[in-house]
Amino acid sequence: EAGVAQSPRYKIIEKRQSVAFWCNPISGHATLYWYQQILGQGPKLLIQFQNNGVVDDSQLPKDRFSAERLKGVDSTLKIQPAKLEDSAVYLCASSRAGELFFGEGSRLTVL
Amino acid sequence: DQQVKQNSPSLSVQEGRISILNCDYTNSMFDYFLWYKKYPAEGPTFLISISSIKDKNEDGRFTVFLNKSAKHLSLHIVPSQPGDSAVYFCAASALGNQFYFGTGTSLTVIP
Repeated sequence: EAGVAQSPRYKIIEKRQSVAFWCNPISGHATLYWYQQILGQGPKLLIQFQNNGVVDDSQLPKDRFSAERLKGVDSTLKIQPAKLEDSAVYLCASSRAGELFFGEGSRLTVL
Repeated sequence: DQQVKQNSPSLSVQEGRISILNCDYTNSMFDYFLWYKKYPAEGPTFLISISSIKDKNEDGRFTVFLNKSAKHLSLHIVPSQPGDSAVYFCAASALGNQFYFGTGTSLTVIP
């Protein structure tokens, strides 16, 4: 069984630029999550999808962050414009039977 | 508001000895608890879980203990091996919905 795929693995941008991250969950997993993990902290949920519907986006900074999962499979997370404090690892996860499976993450550095 | 707390940022243990990682939570609605292990530059990987109807779950060298009255869980690794050196995250969820993570404990097993 293939795991959660994410790309790119690393991205360096300047502040006020935009960036997009892509995630392909494990086949058949209806629930998909985007987490932000800042260095020294635990993963913080940004948004949760159930199929292509949003379940929880209460912690997503909607003035600059957006996410979609149009066909209920792949998802993209976009940041526009980026700020210095957005430097973090963005983790995508999918779940089955209450267990989260994470991708390797996309590390963003904002200069 | 940090609903899941790991108060020890780091722990060092000699190889062969027991490692005990602790986690506290505040939300009495949490009914499922998980431990994840994270190596540098990789996403967290699932290690072991426990339902709130149990007080102990064992899987090989790993045992998780849950004390609901104290809202405390712990992960025991025995015997500890150098390959166990990683960051360990505690997570909790209610009814399989959003997962809340602690800030992690960095375990170093000294050969």
